Amino acid sequence: DAGVIQSPRHEVTEMGQEVTLRCKPISGHNSLFWYRQTMMRGLELLIYFNNNVPIDDSGMPEDRFSAKMPNASFSTLKIQPSEPRDSAVYFCASSRTSGRYNEQFFGPGTRLTVL
Amino acid sequence: GENVEQHPSTLSVQEGDSAVIKCTYSDSASNYFPWYKQELGKGPQLIIDIRSNVGEKKDQRIAVTLNKTAKHFSLHITETQPEDSAVYFCAASKGAGSYQLTFGKGTKLSVIP
Repeated sequence: DAGVIQSPRHEVTEMGQEVTLRCKPISGHNSLFWYRQTMMRGLELLIYFNNNVPIDDSGMPEDRFSAKMPNASFSTLKIQPSEPRDSAVYFCASSRTSGRYNEQFFGPGTRLTVL
Repeated sequence: GENVEQHPSTLSVQEGDSAVIKCTYSDSASNYFPWYKQELGKGPQLIIDIRSNVGEKKDQRIAVTLNKTAKHFSLHITETQPEDSAVYFCAASKGAGSYQLTFGKGTKLSVIP
């Protein structure tokens, strides 16, 4: 199993530019999560999809952030326009929501730097 | 909502010694407590978890304990090795039907050879 795949691994952009982060969950997993990690705030859940449907986006910072999951094998997180305070590591995780407990498997992350 | 506190934030031990990381949680409905290890430049990886119906679980050099009455749980690593150096996160969840994992702020463990 290839695990959760994220691209790009690193992204450097200038303030005001659009940034798109991509995620391929583990095959067979029906839940997908986007997290943001910073030194100050730790790991924060941004949005959660179940069966490709956004269930909870209460963690999305503001309207500049949007996420889509057009099919079971692909999701994007878009920031438009980007700001320096968006600089962080963004993780995608997936899980199979069967049974009582949902182990989440994380991807390697995308380190975003907004200048 | 749930709040997870984790201590210490940094921990240095000599190789071969034991390391203990402690977490407390606030929501008594939480019943699933995973521990993640994050190595430099990588995503968090589940290393062990414990459900609320048990008080302790062991996997080789790693053990977790849970005290539901006091709402705290701990990670114990024995015979530490340099490759144990990483950031460790505890988390809490309500388990069945709940996707939400609330993470602690992490503990940076350094094992000194």
